[in-house]
Amino acid sequence: QVQLQESGPRLVKPAETLSLTCTVSGGSINNYYWSWIRQSPGKGLEWIGYIYYSGTTNYNPSLKSRVTISLDTSRNQFSLKLSTMTAADTAMYYCARHQPGRPYFDPWGQGTLVTVSS
Amino acid sequence: EIVMTQSPATLSVSPGDTVTLSCRASQSVSSNLAWYQQKPGQAPRLLIFGASARATGFPANFSGSGSGTEFTLTISSLQSADFAVYYCQQYNNWPYTFGQGTKLEIK
Repeated sequence: QVQLQESGPRLVKPAETLSLTCTVSGGSINNYYWSWIRQSPGKGLEWIGYIYYSGTTNYNPSLKSRVTISLDTSRNQFSLKLSTMTAADTAMYYCARHQPGRPYFDPWGQGTLVTVSS
Repeated sequence: EIVMTQSPATLSVSPGDTVTLSCRASQSVSSNLAWYQQKPGQAPRLLIFGASARATGFPANFSGSGSGTEFTLTISSLQSADFAVYYCQQYNNWPYTFGQGTKLEIK
């Protein structure tokens, strides 16, 4: 079955840009939506945004000015960039899939904990 | 943004009990409501979609109901594996939003 795996730095300095990659195995990127979701003690679960296999994106307005999600279909990967990181961005970051017309998330990656600290 | 409110925050129950978890939306989300189960150290796992359809791998003792702004998740005959945190998520409107979760703990 499809599995997702996040990768990227665990520690980011304030004001820097976070870059994470999600690798999809056991299935194709095609015909699905691919999201980033984060979870922190303070804000709970927060949907960051998605990218469709065609390249269409949609971002949470609360983060839109700082977020870019991109796709590399040749590598079956999609990526998150979140700029101007602050301590408030410290969270577990998950990637997840949803089907067209069914924007509930299944499956999820195992998550990667990102800490913002100097 | 639609705000999802779950209650209670924590529920202390015993194995074998039946529990009902509540999720309320700040405006109607029709039946576009999902529930997730999250165990310590794991990612959330889809449990219910469309307010009442069970996801693959979950037994019939899990059931969801509701529409509009009021939703419930009922778990009957609680087993030790069911003690976890449960989240609701609306997908009727962007941005998709989650509730703060209800933690089921063993009494």
